[in-house]
Amino acid sequence: GAGVSQSPSNKVTEKGKDVELRCDPISGHTALYWYRQSLGQGLEFLIYFQGNSAPDKSGLPSDRFSAERTGGSVSTLTIQRTQQEDSAVYLCASSSISGYEQFFGPGTRLTVL
Amino acid sequence: GDSVTQMEGPVTLSEEAFLTINCTYTATGYPSLFWYVQYPGEGLQLLLKATKADDKGSNKGFEATYRKETTSFHLEKGSVQVSDSAVYFCASFSSGSARQLTFGSGTQLTVLP
Repeated sequence: GAGVSQSPSNKVTEKGKDVELRCDPISGHTALYWYRQSLGQGLEFLIYFQGNSAPDKSGLPSDRFSAERTGGSVSTLTIQRTQQEDSAVYLCASSSISGYEQFFGPGTRLTVL
Repeated sequence: GDSVTQMEGPVTLSEEAFLTINCTYTATGYPSLFWYVQYPGEGLQLLLKATKADDKGSNKGFEATYRKETTSFHLEKGSVQVSDSAVYFCASFSSGSARQLTFGSGTQLTVLP
């Protein structure tokens, strides 16, 4: 397993439901990032983890969004009470401790009906 | 914060034509600069990078030179192929407290046979 993996690849949900998106980074990468790609907004930074800590949560669009990382590896992005404007592709990336070269997963396409 | 301005698309070229996609950045300090490519239905892939002024990144026939004096990182290829059709994103990374990639809006390239 060389690359960053994300699951599910596609998620369709109804407005108001909660969703969990998972990211499995490259083994040994200490930094993990979440981004969102949507029409009209381009690529937006959401949150960054170094180990299990999130020193930068500045990009989370509202308090309905939260993320955690356990064991310095897998991360989960949770969106509560989903809204139609949450529809987007959610991308995860990881990097080594130097941080500047990020490797991206294939993304999770979220559709909120 | 950092910002990246990228040439608007879409760009349509004939095979073997010369490609330039303009990218300029604003940042405090000296960021690392990247070009990422997104092929249809796929995730973001790092195409090339440069970490300091006058560095030239190159890969798969694409090149970009980090120009501090013009704060630019334009992407060029001498002879494009149909397989180069994709969306290209310019990005900057500053290793300060805000450890995130800042992306341009993306440029859709279509190469016709």
